[in-house]
Amino acid sequence: DTAVSQTPKYLVTQMGNDKSIKCEQNLGHDTMYWYKQDSKKFLKIMFSYNNKELIINETVPNRFSPKSPDKAHLNLHINSLELGDSAVYFCASSHQGLQAFFGQGTRLTVV
Amino acid sequence: AQSVTQLDSHVSVSEGTPVLLRCNYSSSYSPSLFWYVQHPNKGLQLLLKYTSAATLVKGINGFEAEFKKSETSFHLTKPSAHMSDAAEYFCAFIIQGAQKLVFGQGTRLTINP
Repeated sequence: DTAVSQTPKYLVTQMGNDKSIKCEQNLGHDTMYWYKQDSKKFLKIMFSYNNKELIINETVPNRFSPKSPDKAHLNLHINSLELGDSAVYFCASSHQGLQAFFGQGTRLTVV
Repeated sequence: AQSVTQLDSHVSVSEGTPVLLRCNYSSSYSPSLFWYVQHPNKGLQLLLKYTSAATLVKGINGFEAEFKKSETSFHLTKPSAHMSDAAEYFCAFIIQGAQKLVFGQGTRLTINP
């Protein structure tokens, strides 16, 4: 009964490929996020959805497209992967923008 | 600009000695502040949070933090370090009205036997 689960945990792919990361939360939260953690461990928000509506888009390249089919899911699709996209991507959820609960992360390696 | 700054990128202490991880914030209002811990190859776990109630906040695993408005600080402490405390620690705050959690740069805590 994991609160925020994301799949896959590891993803290795070649440059130019398109890939998706899935996220699901069973906490009944209304807000979900994607964060990127770079090689220096710095965490930066990418997107935030509230009740399936995009509310934050932090100047992320449009190769990244989040999709929220319902309040419990927020998937991240990445087109034309580049070497610089290699990072750990974290999904998170919160209720009304308060305390955030994080998934275990997806380590994306682009080769 | 609203932000948090973690003053040390790396802190090393001996097992059994006190831990102090420093975090300063910059905000024009009283923020909601958090400390998260990330163990190697793991996700982020909430240690504790301050949301304008008691200024001394107790968290999990013996950690606590004190909100000091006069010093704009929210330092994390633990009286006696344990080997299992070795991890990356992040101070964070919520930008009011933006529903956005902003993180500091992180502090890597190393525990020496």
